[in-house]
Amino acid sequence: DQQVKQNSPSLSVQEGRISILNCDYTNSMFDYFLWYKKYPAEGPTFLISISSIKDKNEDGRFTVFLNKSAKHLSLHIVPSQPGDSAVYFCAASVPNFGNEKLTFGTGTRLTIIP
Amino acid sequence: DAGVIQSPRHEVTEMGQEVTLRCKPISGHNSLFWYRQTMMRGLELLIYFNNNVPIDDSGMPEDRFSAKMPNASFSTLKIQPSEPRDSAVYFCASSPPGGNYGYTFGSGTRLTVV
Repeated sequence: DQQVKQNSPSLSVQEGRISILNCDYTNSMFDYFLWYKKYPAEGPTFLISISSIKDKNEDGRFTVFLNKSAKHLSLHIVPSQPGDSAVYFCAASVPNFGNEKLTFGTGTRLTIIP
Repeated sequence: DAGVIQSPRHEVTEMGQEVTLRCKPISGHNSLFWYRQTMMRGLELLIYFNNNVPIDDSGMPEDRFSAKMPNASFSTLKIQPSEPRDSAVYFCASSPPGGNYGYTFGSGTRLTVV
């Protein structure tokens, strides 16, 4: 059972435009959400996160929005740049006293078109 | 810091053979995670250790898979016997004390079983 779902396997966006990546989850116990970025032949790297007590977190060109009632989060990249082309994974965690594990989605491949 | 080091980077083996994947976590990190990446399931947690002790191995597919962490600086994931459906990229990640959100991933081992 996939508790974290990324329903769009791929997305293409023109350079300079906004990229919006979506993620849905089913486990209402999740209280912390993260986005990871992965380039080919490399491991995923942390991008941005948000706690369930917030509905928005911003870091430069990257903003994550959380809608708890809809169990939905999204990552906005503005403006999109060629270097943003990568696979993006959404992840979530249940609080567990320092033993939290991350549950990842299947990923969305973002391609920025110059 | 050299980051999380995985070896080998690529492994091609014949069905039925034993395969051992290796991981050296970042010094000072006390949690270690083994993930498998496939198109269908994304990043799937196999097992994780905290202070060298296995905490959750519910993601290990079957008895053919085993993992050990004999000390704080080394872990292995073994598949015996290997099958073609085990072909995937296997990632190791580590995180520091005080919560596991600061995952650092290795570059992965691409396993092909023919």
